[in-house]
Amino acid sequence: QKEVEQNSGPLSVPEGAIASLNCTYSDRGSQSFFWYRQYSGKSPELIMFIYSNGDKEDGRFTAQLNKASQYVSLLIRDSQPSDSATYLCAVNINRDNDMRFGAGTRLTVKP
Amino acid sequence: KAGVTQTPRYLIKTRGQQVTLSCSPISGHRSVSWYQQTPGQGLQFLFEYFSETQRNKGNFPGRFSGRQFSNSRSEMNVSTLELGDSALYLCASSTGTGWTEAFFGQGTRLTVV
Repeated sequence: QKEVEQNSGPLSVPEGAIASLNCTYSDRGSQSFFWYRQYSGKSPELIMFIYSNGDKEDGRFTAQLNKASQYVSLLIRDSQPSDSATYLCAVNINRDNDMRFGAGTRLTVKP
Repeated sequence: KAGVTQTPRYLIKTRGQQVTLSCSPISGHRSVSWYQQTPGQGLQFLFEYFSETQRNKGNFPGRFSGRQFSNSRSEMNVSTLELGDSALYLCASSTGTGWTEAFFGQGTRLTVV
């Protein structure tokens, strides 16, 4: 079992819709969870992090964490064509900054 | 506040050669992690350095090595290059204490011919 798993996609949504990205992780001891956005040919950019169960909102983005189910998700409301990118889920598997990444979900927002 | 700086941005090397990549983290950050990214394998963790010590290591052969200096700058070395080493090499900077976020540099695109 991979440490961090994501649906590879591609996921396609129309402009203005809600995009839902999902991630599961295997290490129950993980305490911090991150979503990065990576445009083609660029490096990953941190967009959200979450430490506690529940929802965390930042503008159009909402991260959701359920540690019991070992599940993290990212919702993007009012999706824009500029949101088209690969979204990487990352998990710190220990407090010594050992961060592991999922394979990423490619999102396309169609005008 | 300056971001994470990786040099060089692009490299072309021949099989069998060696290469050294450099990463300067965000000021005050003591942890540098290195990743290899390829289309087929995604982001693969190489190793992490904190206060000049390798603290975490991924599953890469010994040809991949690194070090960190007292100013937290880190270098990664790949010896006896193979075609399969062609990839985007990314470093990530963080405080290194606790469960904190990491910030990436722009990456070094290595092509082995």
